[in-house]
Amino acid sequence: QVQLQESGPGLVKPSETLSLTCAVSGGSISNNYWSWIRQPPGKGLEYIGYISDSGSTNYNPSLKSRVTISVDTSQNQFSLKLNSVTAADTAVYYCARWRADILSDWGQGTLVTVSS
Amino acid sequence: DIVMTQSPDSLAVSLGERATINCKSSQSILYSSNYKNYLAWYQQKPGQPPKLLTYWASTRESGVPDRFSGSGSGTDFTLTISSLQAEDVAVYFCHQYYSSPYTFGQGTRLEIK
Repeated sequence: QVQLQESGPGLVKPSETLSLTCAVSGGSISNNYWSWIRQPPGKGLEYIGYISDSGSTNYNPSLKSRVTISVDTSQNQFSLKLNSVTAADTAVYYCARWRADILSDWGQGTLVTVSS
Repeated sequence: DIVMTQSPDSLAVSLGERATINCKSSQSILYSSNYKNYLAWYQQKPGQPPKLLTYWASTRESGVPDRFSGSGSGTDFTLTISSLQAEDVAVYFCHQYYSSPYTFGQGTRLEIK
């Protein structure tokens, strides 16, 4: 069973860059697609984007100008960078694995608060 | 973007009774080449990530109790819990993976009456 674990700062200042990493264990990052999804407190889920093991990406147009997702196959992990953050970016950020076309495995999530 | 609209927003059902949650997509999510509906249902309990219940609209994920079933096609979908158990109290989300940006319903909160 693949396990995912998010890590990164829990507090980011406005206008700065949010950076998170998702460590994959119990399986290889190869031959899979990986995503970031976020959930503002008490609200619904928002797709941020995905990356393949070869590095091809797809981003939500609503965030595309600020988002970069990258993969490090040697470390079996992938990362999220979201720049120019505001309070609206405060959310629980989840990393997840696509099993074929389906978001099947999720990390526990990490709360990132944007505040000065 | 494909908009996913769930109804109701919240639902209270007695233990042992049936619970039904609806999800409507703003356009068809049935892929004509493979006749699959690109629709999944997730259960989310407080402080936990979403848990996959069903995919392809009606395929139950391994390990999910058979009281959970998904149905529907095209634009209209339903998640049914045939006999509500106390551990089913959660928020339920539908999700379309037909086209990017992949989107989710707003969630339905299920409680015990």
